[in-house]
Amino acid sequence: LAKTTQPISMDSYEGQEVNITCSHNNIATNDYITWYQQFPSQGPRFIIQGYKTKVTNEVASLFIPADRKSSTLSLPRVSLSDTAVYYCLVGDRASGAGSYQLTFGKGTKLSVIP
Amino acid sequence: DTGVSQNPRHKITKRGQNVTFRCDPISEHNRLYWYRQTLGQGPEFLTYFQNEAQLEKSRLLSDRFSAERPKGSFSTLEIQRTEQGDSAMYLCAISPPNEQFFGPGTRLTVL
Repeated sequence: LAKTTQPISMDSYEGQEVNITCSHNNIATNDYITWYQQFPSQGPRFIIQGYKTKVTNEVASLFIPADRKSSTLSLPRVSLSDTAVYYCLVGDRASGAGSYQLTFGKGTKLSVIP
Repeated sequence: DTGVSQNPRHKITKRGQNVTFRCDPISEHNRLYWYRQTLGQGPEFLTYFQNEAQLEKSRLLSDRFSAERPKGSFSTLEIQRTEQGDSAMYLCAISPPNEQFFGPGTRLTVL
């Protein structure tokens, strides 16, 4: 299973754009990059997933360079409610039979400051 | 609302007691997972069900742990003879293709 490395913590002021970078040097050809968000005392919540280039949804953007050895989650204009732990995961998509369990690292604890 | 409920949300027990947690997906999904999360760590995979069949178990799942998913709908996770090291958040997740939806978890405290 591909391992990921991301900063342990980050601080940001409200209204700023936050970029969290994740390294995944051993990503496999079939692996997708997925980010989850977790608030205290809640289960992780899917944010965004991508394979290459750029993906954008109503919550975030995901930038993936051509070599796919890293990815950057971009949160536009964060608010206090974005304070959470953000996990970067790599793995194959659940498109066929099999387990597809998720392998989480320690994540990045984002603190948004007023 | 992720479509997954877990009960109880909190459980405090004494060492040596047995505990059982329940996971109820709102809608039917073939895949159901259990994870465990300790403080400061990401969730760790425990076991996986494809419908009612338990197809994969992590080495973390000792003999004191047992999980079931009768009829392929809700699932239960039982821990026998609890130990203080079992204190953690136990998360259930369902999986349509490409992402997993997690329940709110059951926080277990073993005194």
